[in-house]
Amino acid sequence: QVQLQESGPGLVKPSQTLSLTCTVSGGSISSGSYYWSWIRQPAGKGLEWIGRIYTSGSTNYNPSLKSRVTISVDTSKNQFSLKLSSVTAADTAVYYCAREGPWLTYDYWGQGTLVTVSS
Amino acid sequence: DIQLTQSPSFLSASVGDRVTITCRASQGISSYLAWYQQKPGKAPKLLIYAASTLQSGVPSRFSGSGSGTEFTLTISSLQPEDFATYYCQQLNSYLRSTFGGGTKVEIK
Repeated sequence: QVQLQESGPGLVKPSQTLSLTCTVSGGSISSGSYYWSWIRQPAGKGLEWIGRIYTSGSTNYNPSLKSRVTISVDTSKNQFSLKLSSVTAADTAVYYCAREGPWLTYDYWGQGTLVTVSS
Repeated sequence: DIQLTQSPSFLSASVGDRVTITCRASQGISSYLAWYQQKPGKAPKLLIYAASTLQSGVPSRFSGSGSGTEFTLTISSLQPEDFATYYCQQLNSYLRSTFGGGTKVEIK
């Protein structure tokens, strides 16, 4: 059973860079033809896709965030990571990592981690 | 970008009711649509993908239909554990994923 777990600081200051890591267990991140994604959800609001990475390193980003987002993968550690630069209060949200399975839908999710942007 | 509009945004229903949620795409997306259920404080759970294919382990009271621009999620007989928020999601030809605004199903 594949499991994903987000980790990283829960508090980030405005203008700084948010950094999160997703550790995948129960299977190799390199096995199968899967993309690995980041999705966020502000409190009381809907889901926003941030971007995805393939284990080859190929990425796709949400155009609204593209200038600030970098997603990378470390296959040796079975992890992928998110960096979001120049954060503001609008970036405060629960951040989820997820695996894209059949038809590029999200079949496995992490539990989510709350990141608050505040001084 | 393709927009997804869910309706209604809020739904009040009783146990045993048949419930239908609609998701409309701003342009055709073939069958690249999925449905998720989210309970408070939890990650979303995949219910249906490819518009009508039930994810393994999901009860058969859930069903999906549609193609092109109009899709529906139906719960044939609402159970207490089904009270949650439901989201549709699409993947368009530019590999950009978007979600609908959500439909909250509450107890009447």
